[in-house]
Amino acid sequence: DVKVTQSSRYLVKRTGEKVFLECVQDMDHENMFWYRQDPGLGLRLIYFSYDVKMKEKGDIPEGYSVSREKKERFSLILESASTNQTSMYLCASTPGGWTQHFGDGTRLSIL
Amino acid sequence: GQQVMQIPQYQHVQEGEDFTTYCNSSTTLSNIQWYKQRPGGHPVFLIQLVKSGEVKKQKRLTFQFGEAKKNSSLHITATQTTDVGTYFCAGPRGNNRLAFGKGNQVVVIP
Repeated sequence: DVKVTQSSRYLVKRTGEKVFLECVQDMDHENMFWYRQDPGLGLRLIYFSYDVKMKEKGDIPEGYSVSREKKERFSLILESASTNQTSMYLCASTPGGWTQHFGDGTRLSIL
Repeated sequence: GQQVMQIPQYQHVQEGEDFTTYCNSSTTLSNIQWYKQRPGGHPVFLIQLVKSGEVKKQKRLTFQFGEAKKNSSLHITATQTTDVGTYFCAGPRGNNRLAFGKGNQVVVIP
C-alpha cells in the first residue's frame, strides 16, 4: 500500500511565523501535490512537483513556496503565516497516472 | 480553465434509501475519478472511469461515465451509516493535475 505521511496532524502557529509542512511518500512516486481544503471550496491546488527540484504553481500559490530536494519529500512553506492561511492542508502523490494518494492532512491554525 | 461541478453540494439521506450525486465538466474528459472523504479523514480513491458510457459497480455503489465524457454520476443503494462523508469527482487538467469538484457532503439519518 502507498503511504503518504504528513509530519503533523494539528499545528498552531502565530501570525508572521515561517511555517514548514512536511510530506513524505514511500512509493518512489514522481508527482507530489499540496492542496488546501476549506469548507465549501473543495480542494484547491497550491503547488505541485513532477520531479526533484521541479515545481509548478497551482491555483493559489500566493503566500506559499515549496521545496523538493529528494524524490520522497515535498515541503510546503508559509513564508510569513497569516490568519487567512488557517486551513486543512493535504499532500498527495501519484506515480504518473491520475490516481492520487493522500496523506492524513495537517490542520493548521494561525493565531 | 477546465472546471468540474458537482450537484448537489449537500444531501441528507435516510438510512436504507438510495441517492445519486452528479458531476459535470465544462470540457470533455479523458477520464474521471471519484474519491470519498470520511469526516475527519482524507480523500480516498474509489474508482476511475475511462470509456464513454462506462458503468462500474462496487457492491452498492454504481458509477457511470456519460456518453459525451462530460458528466458522471455515483448512485448508492440501500444507504448505510458508513456511507457518510464527502464524495468528490475529479478530472484531468493537464500536467498530471486534477480538477476536483467541490464535493457532495452526505449525511445519513439513522
